Amino acid sequence: QQQVKQSPQSLIVQKGGISIINCAYENTAFDYFPWYQQFPGKGPALLIAIRPDVSEKKEGRFTISFNKSAKQFSLHIMDSQPGDSATYFCAAFSGGGADGLTFGKGTHLIIQP
Amino acid sequence: NAGVTQTPKFQVLKTGQSMTLQCAQDMNHNSMYWYRQDPGMGLRLIYYSASEGTTDKGEVPNGYNVSRLNKREFSLRLESAAPSQTSVYFCASRKRGVPEAFFGQGTRLTVV
Repeated sequence: QQQVKQSPQSLIVQKGGISIINCAYENTAFDYFPWYQQFPGKGPALLIAIRPDVSEKKEGRFTISFNKSAKQFSLHIMDSQPGDSATYFCAAFSGGGADGLTFGKGTHLIIQP
Repeated sequence: NAGVTQTPKFQVLKTGQSMTLQCAQDMNHNSMYWYRQDPGMGLRLIYYSASEGTTDKGEVPNGYNVSRLNKREFSLRLESAAPSQTSVYFCASRKRGVPEAFFGQGTRLTVV
């Protein structure tokens, strides 16, 4: 059972455009929703995260939108740059569990110059 | 400020060979994890250790064993490697009560 569904699997955006990646979850016990960014040959690194008591969190060009009733959250990258080209993973975490993060399958983002 | 260190970075094995992937963290984290990453499959949890002395199976534990040697080190062993275990393996760690996980650089394993 896939607990976090991520889409699209791949995405091509023109430089300066908005990149949007969507995730949906099933387990209502999740209480922390991070996004990880991974460059080729590197491990994933935390990009931005949100808790379900807020509907939006913004850090620079990166924004998470969260819809608790729909059990969905999304990452928006404004003014996308070639340096943003990477694989992005959404994830979910339950504070009551010891088994770490549940990840989506990832989105391969390419920003074309 | 090393964070999570994995060795080796690359490895080629023949089917049936055994090997151990090493992971060490210097952040005094309680929990440690092993994931495998395959194209289109995302990151799948193999085993985790919530604290020193404990280990538990994740989503895809078959064919693997782990050892939490001490608080710093968490190793992953393949007793008899199979081509299906060709993957990139990531170790991660997390501080108790803090959800953020820190990842190593990965080990790219090819089984021929």
